Amino acid sequence: ETVLTQFPDTLSLSPGDRATLSCRASQSVGGDYLAWYQQKPGQAPRLLVYGASNRATGIPDRFSGSGSGSEFTLTISRLEPEDFAVYYCQQFSNSRGSFGPGTRVDFK
Amino acid sequence: QVQLVESGGGVVQPGRSLRLSCEGSGFSLATSGMYWVRQAPGKGLEWLAVIWYDAMNTEYGDSVKGRFTISRDNSKNTLFLQMSSLRAEDTGVYYCARNGKSMRFAMDVWGQGTTVTVSS
Repeated sequence: ETVLTQFPDTLSLSPGDRATLSCRASQSVGGDYLAWYQQKPGQAPRLLVYGASNRATGIPDRFSGSGSGSEFTLTISRLEPEDFAVYYCQQFSNSRGSFGPGTRVDFK
Repeated sequence: QVQLVESGGGVVQPGRSLRLSCEGSGFSLATSGMYWVRQAPGKGLEWLAVIWYDAMNTEYGDSVKGRFTISRDNSKNTLFLQMSSLRAEDTGVYYCARNGKSMRFAMDVWGQGTTVTVSS
């Protein structure tokens, strides 16, 4: 099973700041089968990025994903008030998936 | 409008069974891979199971393998999760999600979730 680690656990920032979230896999994620989700309290997760670097439909271009192999990054170029949430990475390999533990982006 | 609606959650005693449903609208489940994901109170997301287009191929996470069964009824456009031998640690919100076409196994549509509480 591929285990995902996310860091930092919490990112304390202000609106307008740049956010850099990291996701590391215990083994290489083939085919860039790596996605990022945003979750707000009481809501279902929302897909932001798939295939490591492709924005999902309707996602603002301040969100960008990068990386390959076992190291991936989600960058939010300029935080808007609605971006303060928890972010999860997710991988799919050997016919099964797994999520990272999440990074919380909160107000400084 | 593409939508998923879960139902069937509730309070159940340890060791008992429960079946969750997820009804799709605006698209055909028959042509989609489908997932179940859960979230324990205050915790992160946990990948549970997937069923593919042919409904013959399924996979499970280690924590539920042998106890949970994913299935679908294409005529009702509905996904199911049959849960047996339930434990306290199975408590949480259960989401169904659609495998996004050509999205490299990402989940592009999610339901609102249904809550399962395992308690005596």
